[in-house]
Parts: sequence; structure tokens; C-alpha cells
Amino acid sequence: DAGITQSPRHKVTETGTPVTLRCHQTENHRYMYWYRQDPGHGLRLIHYSYGVKDTDKGEVSDGYSVSRSKTEDFLLTLESATSSQTSVYFCAISDGDSYEQYFGPGTRLTVT
Amino acid sequence: AQSVTQPDIHITVSEGASLELRCNYSYGATPYLFWYVQSPGQGLQLLLKYFSGDTLVQGIKGFEAEFKRSQSSFNLRKPSVHWSDAAEYFCAVGLTSGTYKYIFGTGTRLKVLA
Repeated sequence: DAGITQSPRHKVTETGTPVTLRCHQTENHRYMYWYRQDPGHGLRLIHYSYGVKDTDKGEVSDGYSVSRSKTEDFLLTLESATSSQTSVYFCAISDGDSYEQYFGPGTRLTVT
Repeated sequence: AQSVTQPDIHITVSEGASLELRCNYSYGATPYLFWYVQSPGQGLQLLLKYFSGDTLVQGIKGFEAEFKRSQSSFNLRKPSVHWSDAAEYFCAVGLTSGTYKYIFGTGTRLKVLA
């Protein structure tokens, strides 16, 4: 299995508070992705990174920011959490050439 | 517009029966196509992929998929389903634009009856 960890695995937070989710990889892959999974929507891309300090928006980026200061870490921040951001968040990595993405175990976030 | 459609939200089959999960895509270029499986509470695992060549591809766990360009489809099949195949299945298109991004379908949840 690809070495991808996500932390925390579960989090409950209140509306309006900032939240940061961490994705850590040990594969030295260039590309990293953050998705959210919601019933009836499948997985939707929030942000992705194509290198250290190189990031771009996905289809559902409003309310989220990301940072990648090291190859191995990709952080997703909700500046002010809202109930609509209650979801399961998945990180994925890819070396690019294979086009395959490998997924982390997910973080279940509940915003009350 | 680029999109992936999985028309069946839920499918129920009996153990030992055959299975076909449908996937249709809309993409202007030659697609890279994937099927992933997600067991409850788990992340996604790659079942198989199609890039080019033989349109019938074999994957793990006895799954196969057939690419049909004329129908813009990439259906997943298994000749005999096992109870452990109960999971959610996602079809995805890899965008060949240098970003290595995917577009996912909304998923099909498979239930297996003993």
C-alpha cells in the first residue's frame, strides 16, 4: 500500500472555527490532491498540488485553502468552518506518469 | 463538458451471480479510465485502468472492464460475485491535460445477498 496518512481521522468542530487537515506521504510523489466525498456526489476535487508551493483550485474550492511547503505534506485549511463542509475528506497522491492515484484513509469532519 | 455518469446508484445481486456496473463518460480527448472500489469506512483502491490497446482490461479481485469508444462506456464486470465484493464502486476519467486530475462518477453501491 502507498504510504499515505491523514490526520486527524475524525474531527468535530463548531461553525466558524478554523480547521486544518493534514496529508502526509512517504512515496515522494509530485502530485497531491484533496477531495471531499458526499452522498450522491461521489468525490469532488477541492485543490491539488503539482509540486512544492505549486497548487491550484479544483471544482469545489470555495471556503478552502491549501499549502504545500514540503513534498511529503499537503495541508487543507477551512478558514471558518460551515455546516456545509461536513464531509469525508480524502487525500490522494500520484507520481503523474502512471496516472494512478493512491488514496489515504480519509478524515471524517463534522461541523456543528 | 467533461463528466462521468454511473446510472445505477444501488445494485443488489446474489452471491455467485454475474455483475455489470455501468459507466459512461463525456470527454473530448482520448480518455484514461479507471475503476476504484471503496469498502465501508475505507479509502479507495484501484481495481483496474485503461490507457490504450486491448479494450478488455483485467484487474484485481477477478474484475474486468471493457472500453467501448463508440458508446463512451467503460463497464465493469465480474462473472461470479463474492459476498466480500459488497462495496461502493467508482468510475473515473483521467484528464490528459498534464494535471493528472480525475473526474469521478457518483458511485454505485453494491449489495450482495447470501
